[in-house]
Amino acid sequence: GAGVSQTPSNKVTEKGKYVELRCDPISGHTALYWYRQSLGQGPEFLIYFQGTGAADDSGLPNDRFFAVRPEGSVSTLKIQRTERGDSAVYLCASSLYASETQYFGPGTRLLVL
Amino acid sequence: SQELEQSPQSLIVQEGKNLTINCTSSKTLYGLYWYKQKYGEGLIFLMMLQKGGEEKSHEKITAKLDEKKQQSSLHITASQPSHAGIYLCGADWGTGTYKYIFGTGTRLKVLA
Repeated sequence: GAGVSQTPSNKVTEKGKYVELRCDPISGHTALYWYRQSLGQGPEFLIYFQGTGAADDSGLPNDRFFAVRPEGSVSTLKIQRTERGDSAVYLCASSLYASETQYFGPGTRLLVL
Repeated sequence: SQELEQSPQSLIVQEGKNLTINCTSSKTLYGLYWYKQKYGEGLIFLMMLQKGGEEKSHEKITAKLDEKKQQSSLHITASQPSHAGIYLCGADWGTGTYKYIFGTGTRLKVLA
């Protein structure tokens, strides 16, 4: 398909474990965003990439969260020492350029037990 | 306090009825984005509004942005069960960071 894809669609892990969430943006899109959505809330911004560099990481809650986009396409969100409060849907979005409309993937549902 | 507020939080309507969802910003909007969310499908882009007084329509859904660019409404005409889902408005306040600030969403149920 031509849309944003995210893997895995669901992830269950134990408290303290490390997880990686992957995002494949729409081909050719230069900007990529990660958001986190808790139950009953709207998505909250985490980090924005323009090309390979993180242009704005002001939404990352603490230093356990880290994201990379080494080749300017696929991005990985990494969470260390997971906590139960990290349980949420992690959404990825991409746009052709930063000022253009963001298109979202289906999300990864993370459950930390 | 919430910088982007949506109302109502939830809505149940009979099929065929019209409905309106509102989104109010505490600041002047550079862009306002409407999305629909269903379980397992992420956010589906509906419409983007940027100019004061702008109105856009797609099928039976019409979105408007007021002249002051602080309030938007989404109107569905003759609702159908396929319209059910969560409607989210997202704000770009033109800060140059391009992140969207979202409302908490309006959960719509359409009874057949």
